[in-house]
Amino acid sequence: GENVEQHPSTLSVQEGDSAVIKCTYSDSASNYFPWYKQELGKRPQLIIDIRSNVGEKKDQRIAVTLNKTAKHFSLHITETQPEDSAVYFCAASRAFNKFYFGSGTKLNVKP
Amino acid sequence: DAMVIQNPRYQVTQFGKPVTLSCSQTLNHNVMYWYQQKSSQAPKLLFHYYDKDFNNEADTPDNFQSRRPNTSFCFLDIRSPGLGDAAMYLCATSSGTGGGTGELFFGEGSRLTVL
Repeated sequence: GENVEQHPSTLSVQEGDSAVIKCTYSDSASNYFPWYKQELGKRPQLIIDIRSNVGEKKDQRIAVTLNKTAKHFSLHITETQPEDSAVYFCAASRAFNKFYFGSGTKLNVKP
Repeated sequence: DAMVIQNPRYQVTQFGKPVTLSCSQTLNHNVMYWYQQKSSQAPKLLFHYYDKDFNNEADTPDNFQSRRPNTSFCFLDIRSPGLGDAAMYLCATSSGTGGGTGELFFGEGSRLTVL
């Protein structure tokens, strides 16, 4: 099956700074890469996603980049705010049938 | 407007006593998944149904079973829970290749405690 690795496991930034989380995947057939935010005790929620035919996607302060050749993708959060503090998971999927998750990054934004 | 509903939210059982967790969806999605999430870890895929086709992950213990009697409902049965099975169990759905965005929608989860 797919193997998704995620780094770093924890990330602490000052409010207003940028945060970058990186993931690699093993299955070259994976073609959909979502990012989920999970707050303590709550369900994971989709924040942004990218498909394999696109190299970059932005949504306000959040962006995701994908390098298919290197099989890695990254989440970029700019102008971080305390409410961005949460655990972020990357995932990889082939044809939306199965989703495999990275190990998660705990982001702490210090006011 | 909950779209993926899990019951119960909290389940306490005794070691070895069978447990059933339920999940229902109003999205009419083809695919339903069960994930196990332990504290501070990633959700781990146990199995999923694509319509009626059951797909088990190779490393899912035999202790875990699932049923999907219709499109809307899916059940997770843990036949003989051990202490190591204490976790949050997340149900999720997606449209699969049947169209839609492909987004994975999660329920609120069922937290299982094994005494």
